[in-house]
Amino acid sequence: DGGITQSPKYLFRKEGQNVTLSCEQNLNHDAMYWYRQDPGQGLRLIYYSQIVNDFQKGDIAEGYSVSREKKESFPLTVTSAQKNPTAFYLCASSTSRGQRLETQYFGPGTRLLVL
Amino acid sequence: DAKTTQPPSMDCAEGRAANLPCNHSTISGNEYVYWYRQIHSQGPQYIIHGLKNNETNEMASLIITEDRKSSTLILPHATLRDTAVYYCIVRSASGTYKYIFGTGTRLKVLA
Repeated sequence: DGGITQSPKYLFRKEGQNVTLSCEQNLNHDAMYWYRQDPGQGLRLIYYSQIVNDFQKGDIAEGYSVSREKKESFPLTVTSAQKNPTAFYLCASSTSRGQRLETQYFGPGTRLLVL
Repeated sequence: DAKTTQPPSMDCAEGRAANLPCNHSTISGNEYVYWYRQIHSQGPQYIIHGLKNNETNEMASLIITEDRKSSTLILPHATLRDTAVYYCIVRSASGTYKYIFGTGTRLKVLA
């Protein structure tokens, strides 16, 4: 089945620790995105990538880092600089590459909790 | 991208049509209306989108008013599994890549 997978479903972070959230898609989509969702709120864009080896900051990139070495994968690292990392993290992908009106499809999400 | 206004919550009886309104009075000519829904603790699910004509797919129908200042998402026969938060989003083909999700409408389908 084609789709977007995120792992793990739940992740616990200790103070001062970096953690990496996985996002993989087999939809052959060019563009991938990371959003953060806090309780009762909408989604906020962290980073996005339109093509392999290229990515741009979204609205709340501070304390996060990404890489896009493969078309299928767009991992997100939550660094110790992110002071309030507890949230629901959503990965999405779309057929982009010059088509700005594209439909984004979302993964199931990773819930990050700080110990 | 234009902003949208949705009621915070709605109830609907199982088997009846659920009509979810969205106001986008500042929408411009090249902006599309998208609908997503999010079931608790899951990723948002794409439902439908449209520009000015009414649209229908296997999940829902989208009715856009002639002046395009508002729209209604219709779930023709709501089931308990349709209980979710429904988001109305306006996006431009020349706008940014991000989706601006507001707080949406929490639809509760009652048995």
